[in-house]
Amino acid sequence: GAVVSQHPSRVICKSGTSVKIECRSLDFQATTMFWYRQFPKQSLMLMATSNEGSKATYEQGVEKDKFLINHASLTLSTLTVTSAHPEDSSFYICSAIQGPHGYTFGSGTRLTVV
Amino acid sequence: TQLLEQSPQFLSIQEGENLTVYCNSSSVFSSLQWYRQEPGEGPVLLVTVVTGGEVKKLKRLTFQFGDARKDSSLHITAAQPGDTGLYLCAGDYSGGGADGLTFGKGTHLIIQP
Repeated sequence: GAVVSQHPSRVICKSGTSVKIECRSLDFQATTMFWYRQFPKQSLMLMATSNEGSKATYEQGVEKDKFLINHASLTLSTLTVTSAHPEDSSFYICSAIQGPHGYTFGSGTRLTVV
Repeated sequence: TQLLEQSPQFLSIQEGENLTVYCNSSSVFSSLQWYRQEPGEGPVLLVTVVTGGEVKKLKRLTFQFGDARKDSSLHITAAQPGDTGLYLCAGDYSGGGADGLTFGKGTHLIIQP
């Protein structure tokens, strides 16, 4: 089956620094990937849609200048949290699609900003 | 913004009991997916339902999709402690995956031995 690899699984960074999270489709090409955020004890919230070769589409309330998305190839999308603050601490999860209903999720990245 | 209501949010029952989790929307789904998520991990797909009235079984788990494709349920028979976890329903409203998934709030299930 389709596999999506996400790295790093955990990261701790200082306030004000930037953190990059990678999402790779390992055995298929993904023109579209999605980035979700999940706070403790809550469900996943879609942040943005990453489109290969074009600008990402952000959900309402998500700052595009803070959460930079780059989908430079058919197998890689990156999410950079810029000037991170403690309130950005969360679980970030990417997803890619193979086929009309084949959503596959990465294993997530636990970001802690101190 | 599409809303997906999932209930109950929390459920703690004894081993061997049956339970049902519900997922409802006022809009029609192109497809609906059920996931299970362990702490610190991404969601793992259990099933995808596409056709109205569809019923799928996965061992002791039975998934139903409403005839109008606006609701779905997950029924677990004779629950086991290993079923403990977070169960999420997620709807695809756009078809073809263009808009991502809308998740329900999740059901935190605890099965006590």
